Amino acid sequence: QKEVEQNSGPLSVPEGAIASLNCTYSDRVSQSFFWYRQYSGKSPELIMSIYSNGDKEDGRFTAQLNKASQYVSLLIRDSQPSDSATYLCAVSRVAPSGSARQLTFGSGTQLTVLP
Amino acid sequence: DTEVTQTPKHLVMGMTNKKSLKCEQHMGHRAMYWYKQKAKKPPELMFVYSYEKLSINESVPSRFSPECPNSSLLNLHLHALQPEDSALYLCASSQVQGGFEQFFGPGTRLTVL
Repeated sequence: QKEVEQNSGPLSVPEGAIASLNCTYSDRVSQSFFWYRQYSGKSPELIMSIYSNGDKEDGRFTAQLNKASQYVSLLIRDSQPSDSATYLCAVSRVAPSGSARQLTFGSGTQLTVLP
Repeated sequence: DTEVTQTPKHLVMGMTNKKSLKCEQHMGHRAMYWYKQKAKKPPELMFVYSYEKLSINESVPSRFSPECPNSSLLNLHLHALQPEDSALYLCASSQVQGGFEQFFGPGTRLTVL
């Protein structure tokens, strides 16, 4: 089982629709959860972070975390063509050395928003 | 200033060359990271520095040699690379307390001939 799994997609939604991206993780001691957006040829850009169970909203983005189910999701409301990118789920936990945090990425979901 | 900078943007090198990648951040972060990303794959962690000390080395071949001269700078020295080492090399930084959000630089696109 991969440490962090995402629905691989690709995912296509029409402009104005809600895009739903899902992620599960295997390590119960994971403490911090992130969503990154990566445009083709660019570096990952942090768009959401979530640390406790429930929903966190930031503009058109809502992150949801359920630690009991080991599940993280990202909803993008009123999707725009400019949202077309690969979305990476990332999970952070203390490294075995105990002196740093380690970030593990899912394989990413490619989202296309159709005009 | 919430930016991580990396130089050069692009690098082409032969298998016998020695080159260095540079990363700088001025966010006061005390953890810095090197990642390698191949096309259509997620970033893979290579090294982590915490308080300028190497904390994690993810079994990276010795032809990659990291260095952290101070809390703002991170280098990756390259020597005798192979064509399969061609990739996007990403630097990131984060706090060592709190949320540990990692912020990435724009990356260096490396091609090994």
